[in-house]
Amino acid sequence: GAVVSQHPSRVICKSGTSVKIECRSLDFQATTMFWYRQFPKQSLMLMATSNEGSKATYEQGVEKDKFLINHASLTLSTLTVTSAHPEDSSFYICSARTGGASRGYTFGSGTRLTVV
Amino acid sequence: AQKVTQAQTEISVVEKEDVTLDCVYETRDTTYYLFWYKQPPSGELVFLIRRNSFDEQNEISGRYSWNFQKSTSSFNFTITASQVVDSAVYFCALDEINFNKFYFGSGTKLNVKP
Repeated sequence: GAVVSQHPSRVICKSGTSVKIECRSLDFQATTMFWYRQFPKQSLMLMATSNEGSKATYEQGVEKDKFLINHASLTLSTLTVTSAHPEDSSFYICSARTGGASRGYTFGSGTRLTVV
Repeated sequence: AQKVTQAQTEISVVEKEDVTLDCVYETRDTTYYLFWYKQPPSGELVFLIRRNSFDEQNEISGRYSWNFQKSTSSFNFTITASQVVDSAVYFCALDEINFNKFYFGSGTKLNVKP
């Protein structure tokens, strides 16, 4: 079945540095990928929708300059948290629409970011 | 307004009890999908079921069953004879096909005690 590989699974970084999270669709082409953020004991909040070859669409309240999303190929989307601060510490998950008749979604395994 | 409402924040049951997790959604899209996901402590999302808006047939899969009622915009999930391994957070989700939006409910944490 469709698999989305997300890396890294855990990352600790210093305040002020940038962190890149990758999501790859391993056996299918993902024209659309979604990025979510989840705070402890809360739901997944959609941050942005990325479409291959075009600019990402950000949800209201999400800083596009802070959370850079690049979807340069049909199998790779990246989220870069720039100038990270402790309040950016969260669980980030990507998903890809597998599309077609199945209209399914496949989720990455998530990245737990801790900014110290 | 909340697109997907899971009113039960946390539920605790004793093993072997049946438990129903409620989900109410709101959409203006004429075509949509509804999902249930399980999120164990490790964090990954486990897909449980997908239902499209044109199929109101209820579904049973082992100890799991789902009741889709379009008239009340609800898509409830029942676990029969719960087990400790069922302990997790369960999310209901809505995929609006024409609006290209995907929403999660706030989740229900299920604790199954031995």
